[in-house]
This record gives sequence, structure tokens and C-alpha cells, in this order.
Amino acid sequence: RKEVEQDPGPFNVPEGATVAFNCTYSNSASQSFFWYRQDCRKEPKLLMSVYSSGNEDGRFTAQLNRASQYISLLIRDSKLSDSATYLCVVRVGNQFYFGTGTSLTVIP
Amino acid sequence: NAGVTQTPKFQVLKTGQSMTLQCAQDMNHNSMYWYRQDPGMGLRLIYYSASEGTTDKGEVPNGYNVSRLNKREFSLRLESAAPSQTSVYFCASWYTEAFFGQGTRLTVV
Repeated sequence: RKEVEQDPGPFNVPEGATVAFNCTYSNSASQSFFWYRQDCRKEPKLLMSVYSSGNEDGRFTAQLNRASQYISLLIRDSKLSDSATYLCVVRVGNQFYFGTGTSLTVIP
Repeated sequence: NAGVTQTPKFQVLKTGQSMTLQCAQDMNHNSMYWYRQDPGMGLRLIYYSASEGTTDKGEVPNGYNVSRLNKREFSLRLESAAPSQTSVYFCASWYTEAFFGQGTRLTVV
């Protein structure tokens, strides 16, 4: 079983739409959680860390449910510039596990 | 502030050739990592180094060796390249978040 699982998509949404991504993790000892963004042929970059209390950064909201072992990312009022692949990342000790990524295309 | 610098950006090797991918970070991080990224597979950990002088295998270490030369530098070596090692390789250093190099696109023919 993979450590981190994500729906690969693709998600194709119109500008202004709200879109949600989910991610599940298998190790209950997981300690830290992140969403990374990766543009085509570029390196991943941190979008936001995910905390148990949930956190928001502008149009982006991340939630963590430890009991069900899933992480979510909500993007409101989608922009064309949000088109990218979104990676769910989980830390267990010194190791970090990546989901395969969810592809998002925002359509004009 | 360069962050993580990875070289080369592109490389084509013939089967059986060797090469070393270089990675250096200037953020004074203890932990450094090498990943490979293949379509549909996500990023998979090859090796990591939790601190200077230590290295550990990740998920896919076969065919690779690493050296943590000092706190700044962590290199990845392919001793005898195989077509299955065609991939995009990323070096990263972690503290509270990961910082990635720009990647090396390696093709083995």
C-alpha cells in the first residue's frame, strides 16, 4: 500500500470555480503534512503546511483529519495561474512521502 | 540566496556509462535528499542524509550511490547507467519545509 494516495485527476475547471483535492495517508505516525505545487517541468514548491486546526492562505484552505488520515486542499475563485500539479506530502520521521500529484487546469 | 543548486540540468548517457549529479545548498540544513520523478509514480526517495556523515537508503536505492561530502553538498552517482534510470532527478534540503533544486533531466539510451 502506498504511503500517500491522491486522485491524479485531471481536474479541468472554469475560472472562478471552487475545486477540492483530497489525499489519504497510511501511516498513523505521520507527523507533518504539506501541499506542494509543481508547474510543468519545474521543481515542486511549498504551497502551504497543513495543521490539525486547519489553515487558510488567501484563496487556499488546507484541512487535516488525523482520525480518518486524510488531507484536503480547497481552492476558491480559481485563476488561470492556479493551473499546476498539486502534491500531497507527509513526513514520517526523517522521511517525506509524496503523492503522485493531482493535475489542475483552469479554463478561461 | 541560491537555495539548492543542482547540476547538470540535462544529461544524455549511454547504457553502462557513469555520472555524478551534484547538489549544494546554502541554507545550513542538516537533511538532504535525492528523489526521482517518473510519470504516474510521483517523487520517490532514492537516498537521504539526515546529517553530515550519514546516509540512508530510501525507496529505490538500487543502481545508485551517494556521498555527503560536507554539510552543503550531497552527490548522487550512477555507476553503470541503465535505461530504467531515465528520469527527472531532484535534490532537496529540508528543515521545516523542502527546498528543491531545479532538477536534472537524465536520459539513458
